[in-house]
Amino acid sequence: QKEVEQDPGPLSVPEGAIVSLNCTYSNSAFQYFMWYRQYSRKGPELLMYTYSSGNKEDGRFTAQVDKSSKYISLFIRDSQPSDSATYLCAMSEGSNDYKLSFGAGTTVTVRA
Amino acid sequence: GAGVSQSPSNKVTEKGKDVELRCDPISGHTALYWYRQRLGQGLEFLIYFQGNSAPDKSGLPSDRFSAERTGESVSTLTIQRTQQEDSAVYLCASSLGSSIQYFGAGTRLSVL
Repeated sequence: QKEVEQDPGPLSVPEGAIVSLNCTYSNSAFQYFMWYRQYSRKGPELLMYTYSSGNKEDGRFTAQVDKSSKYISLFIRDSQPSDSATYLCAMSEGSNDYKLSFGAGTTVTVRA
Repeated sequence: GAGVSQSPSNKVTEKGKDVELRCDPISGHTALYWYRQRLGQGLEFLIYFQGNSAPDKSGLPSDRFSAERTGESVSTLTIQRTQQEDSAVYLCASSLGSSIQYFGAGTRLSVL
C-alpha cells in the first residue's frame, strides 16, 4: 500500500464548476500538508500549505485536512481553463522535514 | 532568470550509457533536492543537500546513482550504466533551509 493515495483521474469539468480533489494517507505522523500544481512539462508549484486539521482558503482555492480520517481535500471554485493541470498532494511529518511524500497526482481539464 | 534551472530539458540515451543531469538552484538557497517522477506516479525523493552538511542519500535507488554539489551552487546527478527503468523526469528543487521547495522544469530522460 502506498503511503499517500491519490486518484489519478483524469477529471474533466466545465468552466465555472467546482473541482474537488482529495488524497488519503496512512502515516498518522503527517502534520504538514501541501497541494502543488504542475502544468505540462513544468515543475510543480506550491498552491496551498496547511498545518494539522482544519480549513485554509486562498482566493478560489480551499484546502481541508481531516487528520482523524487521514483525508485531505482541495476545492477550486469558479474553475477556469487556466486551472487545467495536474494537482499533487504532498505531506510531511514536521515543519523541518524535507522529505515530502507525494501522491501520484490528479489530472484536471477545465473545458471552456 | 530567478528560478531553478535544469539542463538538459530532454535526454535520450542508450541502455548502458552514463548520463549527467545538471541543476542550478535559486541564488542564496541553501538546500537542494533531487526527485524522480515516473509516469503516473508521485515524486520520489532521491537526495538532499543542505549547505556543507553531509547529504541525505537515502532515496537513491541503487549505487548507479550519485549526486554532487559544491557549496551552495550547482548540483549534478549522475546515472551510470543506465537501464530502461531509469526513464523518468528528474526534478530538482531548492529552498531556504527546509522551507518551501521551488522546482525546476525537470529533465525528461528516455533510455532506449
